[in-house]
Amino acid sequence: ETGVTQTPRHLVMGMTNKKSLKCEQHLGHNAMYWYKQSAKKPLELMFVYNFKEQTENNSVPSRFSPECPNSSHLFLHLHTLQPEDSALYLCASSQEYSSGGYTGELFFGEGSRLTVL
Amino acid sequence: GEDVEQSLFLSVREGDSSVINCTYTDSSSTYLYWYKQEPGAGLQLLTYIFSNMDMKQDQRLTVLLNKKDKHLSLRIADTQTGDSAIYFCAESGGKLIFGQGTELSVKP
Repeated sequence: ETGVTQTPRHLVMGMTNKKSLKCEQHLGHNAMYWYKQSAKKPLELMFVYNFKEQTENNSVPSRFSPECPNSSHLFLHLHTLQPEDSALYLCASSQEYSSGGYTGELFFGEGSRLTVL
Repeated sequence: GEDVEQSLFLSVREGDSSVINCTYTDSSSTYLYWYKQEPGAGLQLLTYIFSNMDMKQDQRLTVLLNKKDKHLSLRIADTQTGDSAIYFCAESGGKLIFGQGTELSVKP
């Protein structure tokens, strides 16, 4: 199995829908991340979970709701999204998270391409 | 806040050297990274450099760090078509901050 798996790979939703993105890592890591990738913009850190506890919330609108039931799984629940939320959402994991120093290598999934109509 | 800047595009011919540049603002950065994203894939760590180093070489890759100017570069020698990808610079002083990515196009 690949290290970090994201599903679905593609998602099209209306502004009133509710959907979820799923991420699973098989690397035994303790930290998991959600990033947003939009064309020509820096990769945006959204959320970080370290040992299942949320350690970073980068001023993300409440229409994005993360959930980390255990160290191997991470979800991003989506509701009432806007067209500008269309982007590639990347999940990543690392051994653990350190906000002030070396976090170590991040292992990324292939991303979930989200289109909001 | 912290900021990482990269040019968006670079085009080179196969066999030439590629140099991808990056500037960052956080002087407390302890590590600086280069990640590669191939089409349809996530990011993959290429190399990293500790902030007390000026240079790191790894086969065809050379990373140069100028701490005074907060400038990081990635040189790829003998660039191949398989090197076509988006290259992201990232710095970690506090949070891990990525740039916009530089799309490298290698023409035969």
